[in-house]
Amino acid sequence: AQTVTQSQPEMSVQEAETVTLSCTYDTSESDYYLFWYKQPPSRQMILVIRQEAYKQQNATENRFSVNFQKAAKSFSLKISDSQLGDAAMYFCASQRLGGSEKLVFGKGTKLTVNP
Amino acid sequence: GAGVSQSPRYKVAKRGQDVALRCDPISGHVSLFWYQQALGQGPEFLTYFQNEAQLDKSGLPSDRFFAERPEGSVSTLKIQRTQQEDSAVYLCASSPRDSGGQPQHFGDGTRLSIL
Repeated sequence: AQTVTQSQPEMSVQEAETVTLSCTYDTSESDYYLFWYKQPPSRQMILVIRQEAYKQQNATENRFSVNFQKAAKSFSLKISDSQLGDAAMYFCASQRLGGSEKLVFGKGTKLTVNP
Repeated sequence: GAGVSQSPRYKVAKRGQDVALRCDPISGHVSLFWYQQALGQGPEFLTYFQNEAQLDKSGLPSDRFFAERPEGSVSTLKIQRTQQEDSAVYLCASSPRDSGGQPQHFGDGTRLSIL
């Protein structure tokens, strides 16, 4: 079974600064994907970034990047130049390939951005 | 439509009543997922459809929960004899095809409150 752990219930950052959200996971699968989703108060889950486990290069999407450490089963999200609009709940999720391909989520980290 | 549409956005029901939640996926999306998100938690998988076939219902918490997608498009999640612990946000997501790693696109969810 897959599990995802987010050990930081809440984080805060000053506008324009950098923040890193932690995520660890456990899986027995050799092939899987990892995701970070953002959930603002509107409730819609928005994909931030995804990483294919067999790719060693860390994924990057504009101000968002990940530090993927496969051996340590760690998948942290770095947000650079934080903006007020980045304030939200952030969820880390894993997905194994084959089968139902359901997402397994962590409990989330609430990010506050201070002006 | 442009995105995944869920209705109603809010639903209040008395304990013991039956409820039905609707999901309109993005047109042409093969895969459809239902998740349950309790307050302050990450979403948890309920069930998965590939077209009209329900391939995984391992996350449904009891036989009071039933989901269908008869024509491979719109899906309905039905909860019979509702109980207070059913109070949660129910999220629907769809993805273009069944191969792994495709991002899931989420709707805004239905917030269900059982009195």
